[in-house]
Amino acid sequence: GNSVTQMEGPVTLSEEAFLTINCTYTATGYPSLFWYVQYPGEGLQLLLKATKADDKGSNKGFEATYRKETTSFHLEKGSVQVSDSAVYFCALSDQRGRGSTLGRLYFGRGTQLTVWP
Amino acid sequence: GAGVSQSPSNKVTEKGKDVELRCDPISGHTALYWYRQRLGQGLEFLIYFQGNSAPDKSGLPSDRFSAERTGESVSTLTIQRTQQEDSAVYLCASSLPLNNSPLHFGNGTRLTVT
Repeated sequence: GNSVTQMEGPVTLSEEAFLTINCTYTATGYPSLFWYVQYPGEGLQLLLKATKADDKGSNKGFEATYRKETTSFHLEKGSVQVSDSAVYFCALSDQRGRGSTLGRLYFGRGTQLTVWP
Repeated sequence: GAGVSQSPSNKVTEKGKDVELRCDPISGHTALYWYRQRLGQGLEFLIYFQGNSAPDKSGLPSDRFSAERTGESVSTLTIQRTQQEDSAVYLCASSLPLNNSPLHFGNGTRLTVT
């Protein structure tokens, strides 16, 4: 089956620190991988994605590389800011054939990140 | 508005009552999803709509849960005879009907069953 396991939080960092949030997955077939972010008081929004092995998704200084050999998609940022404080969700999309549930995502539990000035 | 809209934003109900949660997706998004997020848990898939039909209802936890969609637009999630374990944030998302098309989420409805 499909599942996502991500690092449990909360994660607390000082501004400009390096961030890693670990995410590993189990999937049948060849999934696409995503990181979604939920800022306080807002809905989840897509942060970045990668659709095949060795792809690197990047956005707003965040990066994640699709590693098939380790079934991982760890989120990293070199220098976090207070505005990055949010809950981060790793997710995968089952890439079955036509007629499948397009876009259905399997989510991890979320990791709360708090960045202090 | 341009985003996914859910109402109400908060709902407190007594155990045993029925509730209806509403989702207005982004115009033109034919794919619509309902998820549930219990406190401290990940997002749990409930149901997926493509247009007005639901090819995947596998996540609905019991026959007390049902959902419909009309006009390839608004969707309603109904929970009958609510139980305390139904307390959660119910999230709606919509997307274009394409593989890897990002999901656009609403802010959710926080349901509390007392």
